[in-house]
Amino acid sequence: SQQGEEDPQALSIQEGENATMNCSYKTSINNLQWYRQNSGRGLVHLILIRSNEREKHSGRLRVTLDTSKKSSSLLITASRAADTASYFCATGGSNYKLTFGKGTLLTVNP
Amino acid sequence: DTEVTQTPKHLVMGMTNKKSLKCEQHMGHRAMYWYKQKAKKPPELMFVYSYEKLSINESVPSRFSPECPNSSLLNLHLHALQPEDSALYLCASRLNFMNTEAFFGQGTRLTVV
Repeated sequence: SQQGEEDPQALSIQEGENATMNCSYKTSINNLQWYRQNSGRGLVHLILIRSNEREKHSGRLRVTLDTSKKSSSLLITASRAADTASYFCATGGSNYKLTFGKGTLLTVNP
Repeated sequence: DTEVTQTPKHLVMGMTNKKSLKCEQHMGHRAMYWYKQKAKKPPELMFVYSYEKLSINESVPSRFSPECPNSSLLNLHLHALQPEDSALYLCASRLNFMNTEAFFGQGTRLTVV
């Protein structure tokens, strides 16, 4: 079963614009992670935010976490064509499970 | 070395065949995962091994049989698969479960004919 629900399911923007993706989840978590997947390939870890953190930055990425609303957002600033990919949130709990949301397909047009 | 290596990259098998997918990591990670991913869908968890013991089986049909021979290797044995089992099979590893990222292999693209 899927834990996270991302929205939007698809997002198309112009190079240089910012892209925001949201993720909601249902159960308690230890951490929430964001991954990127280029077409048909393996997933690449982007950023991890712990349940006691509210915001985290890494380069052009900014992640927020609101555990009271069970939601997270990923902001990519100054997007590039190379950012075109699917983005997934994944929740980690108290066991080894890492459960992925449905994902957002981001297209950055040059 | 931060790689997870999966072999083969592509596999075509008949419904009566027996084949195996292999996954290897040398990062000292103690948790290893198998995911199945259909086109335009998220990865779906199948199995988790922690410290070489099967800790999670997400009610996967018995035609999929995982094996963890040692802390660096993870296999997925396939037998009598169905065409609907065609998918990208992803292996991942994590140092442990406490707030650690997962490293993914590039996957095996499986086609069952």
